[in-house]
Amino acid sequence: GNSVTQMEGPVTLSEEAFLTINCTYTATGYPSLFWYVQYPGEGLQLLLKATKADDKGSNKGFEATYRKETTSFHLEKGSVQVSDSAVYFCALSDRDGSARQLTFGSGTQLTVLP
Amino acid sequence: EAGVAQSPRYKIIEKRQSVAFWCNPISGHATLYWYQQILGQGPKLLIQFQNNGVVDDSQLPKDRFSAERLKGVDSTLKIQPAKLEDSAVYLCASSVNRDRNEQFFGPGTRLTVL
Repeated sequence: GNSVTQMEGPVTLSEEAFLTINCTYTATGYPSLFWYVQYPGEGLQLLLKATKADDKGSNKGFEATYRKETTSFHLEKGSVQVSDSAVYFCALSDRDGSARQLTFGSGTQLTVLP
Repeated sequence: EAGVAQSPRYKIIEKRQSVAFWCNPISGHATLYWYQQILGQGPKLLIQFQNNGVVDDSQLPKDRFSAERLKGVDSTLKIQPAKLEDSAVYLCASSVNRDRNEQFFGPGTRLTVL
């Protein structure tokens, strides 16, 4: 079956530091890949996505590249801000029967200190 | 555009009691999802509806969980009777249809079972 593995947290960085959160996946077929962010007390928000190999998703300074050869979709940001403190989830979507289902990783808590 | 609405936001009950959660998806979205998010884990799909029909309920514990979407708009998820291990955040999400990747999430209902 499908699975997503994320680097374990929590991750604590100083403001303006470089961020990498690793994500690898196992899937049959050709999945789409996503990063969702969850701020305290809120639901998940889509941060970025990539639908095929070598695609780069980007949003709000975050980037991730779909690497089929390494089955990875690592999240990066060059300079984090305090407002980026949240939980980040890597996910994949693959067709399962007649439905597209999202499979999530366990999440990585990021705290950015001023 | 209004987002996915959920209520209540918080609920505390004792084990063996029953509880119900409500979700109103984004207007015009045909597909509705219920997820269970246990603390420290990623969301896990419980059930998926396409309009008022069930597409996938393979991971729904049907001995105690039930869900309906009678008119193809809002939905109710019920637990009866609740167990301690049901303590989690219950997230509702919707998408335009089941072939569209992007799911939009509500804020969730945090359930505590004592």
